[in-house]
Amino acid sequence: DVKVTQSSRYLVKRTGEKVFLECVQDMDHENMFWYRQDPGLGLRLIYFSYDVKMKEKGDIPEGYSVSREKKERFSLILESASTNQTSMYLCASSFGPQETQYFGPGTRLLVL
Amino acid sequence: RKEVEQDPGPFNVPEGATVAFNCTYSNSASQSFFWYRQDCRKEPKLLMSVYSSGNEDGRFTAQLNRASQYISLLIRDSKLSDSATYLCVVTAVVEGNNRLAFGKGNQVVVIP
Repeated sequence: DVKVTQSSRYLVKRTGEKVFLECVQDMDHENMFWYRQDPGLGLRLIYFSYDVKMKEKGDIPEGYSVSREKKERFSLILESASTNQTSMYLCASSFGPQETQYFGPGTRLLVL
Repeated sequence: RKEVEQDPGPFNVPEGATVAFNCTYSNSASQSFFWYRQDCRKEPKLLMSVYSSGNEDGRFTAQLNRASQYISLLIRDSKLSDSATYLCVVTAVVEGNNRLAFGKGNQVVVIP
């Protein structure tokens, strides 16, 4: 079974703090994705990566950056957290960009 | 026009009844189609892929209508455990990148 893990299930941070969200997959997938999910807005793509050290902006990249130093790990960074970044963050991975995506359990981030 | 559109519902369904809902997509070149299920406060999980000839998995049937650009999901003999949000997923090309586009979901509530 594909397993995608995320470093934290719940996180509380203060405005202005730097926040790291880690995602690890164990299926040797080339593609990894970061989404945020908010009520009424659905899943929105923040960043994705097709290969190690490669990244592409999604639909809402502002205020975020990512890092993919190893194939199995994709990190999402909030350089200076703001209250409007309070959300559920979901990581996913897949073999190909149009193939089934497998999601991690999500991180609920609260920025105070 | 949004890439994927779904009626959010909720669809209140008596236990044992049949419920069906559609999802429309805008890109006529889309090749891959999926239904995902998301339980409350959980991550999305693949329910089934949707093939051109349609496919069935137990009480769930998915159909694709390319001419009218929609996919459908039908749930027969609804169980309380079917209560969830069902996300329609379609391939899309955004700024030259192939990726998946997620609908906001159809919320199904099965009532005893």
